[in-house]
Amino acid sequence: AQTVTQSQPEMSVQEAETVTLSCTYDTSESDYYLFWYKQPPSRQMILVIRQEAYKQQNATENRFSVNFQKAAKSFSLKISDSQLGDAAMYFCAYRDRSNTGKLIFGQGTTLQVKP
Amino acid sequence: EADIYQTPRYLVIGTGKKITLECSQTMGHDKMYWYQQDPGMELHLIHYSYGVNSTEKGDLSSESTVSRIRTEHFPLTLESARPSHTSQYLCASMRGGEVEAFFGQGTRLTVV
Repeated sequence: AQTVTQSQPEMSVQEAETVTLSCTYDTSESDYYLFWYKQPPSRQMILVIRQEAYKQQNATENRFSVNFQKAAKSFSLKISDSQLGDAAMYFCAYRDRSNTGKLIFGQGTTLQVKP
Repeated sequence: EADIYQTPRYLVIGTGKKITLECSQTMGHDKMYWYQQDPGMELHLIHYSYGVNSTEKGDLSSESTVSRIRTEHFPLTLESARPSHTSQYLCASMRGGEVEAFFGQGTRLTVV
């Protein structure tokens, strides 16, 4: 069975600085999707960035980028120039390529941004 | 924000009551999901649906039931609420063949 592990329950970063959130996963599949979702307090969970396993190039979305290490089964999220609005819980998630579309989530990392 | 809505946002209810959590989406997505999220914990899939009249149990066993009579609507029902059902319930939807899931704001349920 696939598993996703986030070993950092809480992280903090100074505004304008860079922070990296860690995620490891386990799967026997060779092709799959990985995601980082952001869940602000009392608001909808939204997709931050996604990576397709067959793509070697790391995904980037503005200030958010990932370091995808397929052999090591590692998928970290880097947030550059952190802003107060980045404060939220961040979930790493895995999805295989089956038709179900179901997501397997890590435990989440609460990110605090200090002014 | 995505067009997926959950009601109520917060619910406090007594043990033994029957409750229905509503989830609606206006995007025409055929796939819908219910995830359960305990405080400070990861989300676990409890139900999903491929489309109208399709429902499947997820990875986490749940005493709740779901129905999918209309594409846009995926309600979750607890026939007899218990304190162990206290949790946050998140609804999500996805268009078939696509990758991104869209989430509602969640229903925080407290059973006393």
